[in-house]
Amino acid sequence: GNSVTQMEGPVTLSEEAFLTINCTYTATGYPSLFWYVQYPGEGLQLLLKATKADDKGSNKGFEATYRKETTSFHLEKGSVQVSDSAVYFCALYRKTSYDKVIFGPGTSLSVIP
Amino acid sequence: NAGVTQTPKFQVLKTGQSMTLQCAQDMNHEYMSWYRQDPGMGLRLIHYSVGAGITDQGEVPNGYNVSRSTTEDFPLRLLSAAPSQTSVYFCASSYGGTGSYEQYFGPGTRLTVT
Repeated sequence: GNSVTQMEGPVTLSEEAFLTINCTYTATGYPSLFWYVQYPGEGLQLLLKATKADDKGSNKGFEATYRKETTSFHLEKGSVQVSDSAVYFCALYRKTSYDKVIFGPGTSLSVIP
Repeated sequence: NAGVTQTPKFQVLKTGQSMTLQCAQDMNHEYMSWYRQDPGMGLRLIHYSVGAGITDQGEVPNGYNVSRSTTEDFPLRLLSAAPSQTSVYFCASSYGGTGSYEQYFGPGTRLTVT
């Protein structure tokens, strides 16, 4: 079946460090891929998405490239800030018998000054 | 726009009690969903609705009921609470299918069942 695997963390980085959060997926065909972010005490917000192979999603300095050959959608940011501290969820959508998005377990990121 | 609102923010129930978690959105979205969030498991879909009067089960529907009498509201009912239902519950809405459109999430309800 469809599934998403991501590093669970927690990940702790110093401010201005480079961030990579790995995400790989299992799905037939060509799913749409997403990164959502959850700030403390809030609901999830869409960070970026890609709908076909080799697409790059980007937002707020974050980027992720849809790699069909490695079934991956790794999240990267060149220089993290304290305000980036949050939980990041990788997710996929593939139309099956019902309309749903499959979320990974989430990766907690803490950025320290 | 208030977006997606959920009430209450926190709730403690005893085993066997019933309650309704409220969810409302003011964006005229057709799609609404309920998820539960448990540590290490991401979000799991409980029930969803593709429009007023239409609901369907997600991957973990047992112990929960939903109805959708209006576009705006999508309440989640716990009929007889169990400790296994201790979780954080999120309501979400989207303009169209969840694969095509961004989902907007409410702030969540933290439920503890003792």
